[in-house]
Amino acid sequence: GDKVKQSPSALSLQEGTNSALRCNFSIAATTVQWFLQNPRGSLINLFYLVPGTKENGRLKSAFDSKESYSTLHIRDAQLEDSGTYFCAADPGYQNFYFGKGTSLTVIP
Amino acid sequence: EAAVTQSPRNKVTVTGGNVTLSCRQTNSHNYMYWYRQDTGHGLRLIHYSYGAGNLQIGDVPDGYKATRTTQEDFFLLLELASPSQTSLYFCASSDGSYAEQFFGPGTRLTVL
Repeated sequence: GDKVKQSPSALSLQEGTNSALRCNFSIAATTVQWFLQNPRGSLINLFYLVPGTKENGRLKSAFDSKESYSTLHIRDAQLEDSGTYFCAADPGYQNFYFGKGTSLTVIP
Repeated sequence: EAAVTQSPRNKVTVTGGNVTLSCRQTNSHNYMYWYRQDTGHGLRLIHYSYGAGNLQIGDVPDGYKATRTTQEDFFLLLELASPSQTSLYFCASSDGSYAEQFFGPGTRLTVL
């Protein structure tokens, strides 16, 4: 089965609203990364996390290694936030496992 | 910011063809990775390396070889390309264990 499960698989948001994306892990993740794949296909680094939380502007992410999940919160969604969000978990031996992504569309 | 470049950016070949994808990173990172991205699968690890001359097998290595010639350069080789290898290929690098990965722009490969 999938080692990293992302939810939801797709999401539409009205501009200015908030949402949360989630990753659940069936492996013992030591670190987590979140990426945004933009419409051109480029992977943009958002967060790199050990257990704990980080915040960057309108984005906030948390990683709980004991409960095996991570979240990405988007506040005041903007049109440029549209794209596909991926999380990736490292069980500690540099073999990253990716989720299948959450496709986000921000609507004006 | 890590700089990872890939070439070519697009490649079309025929079944049975020989293809080499190139990746270079200029930040002296130890680890380099090759992934493929397919609809419905996310990114899947093909091969990775933690230094020149080193090669480790990832999750989907069948049909692929890789070679790490220098700390900067990592190559992915498809010696007998098949249509199932049509995909978007990403290279990435990181500074070692418990370190952030940085991705190149991707190479879109089509095998006819």
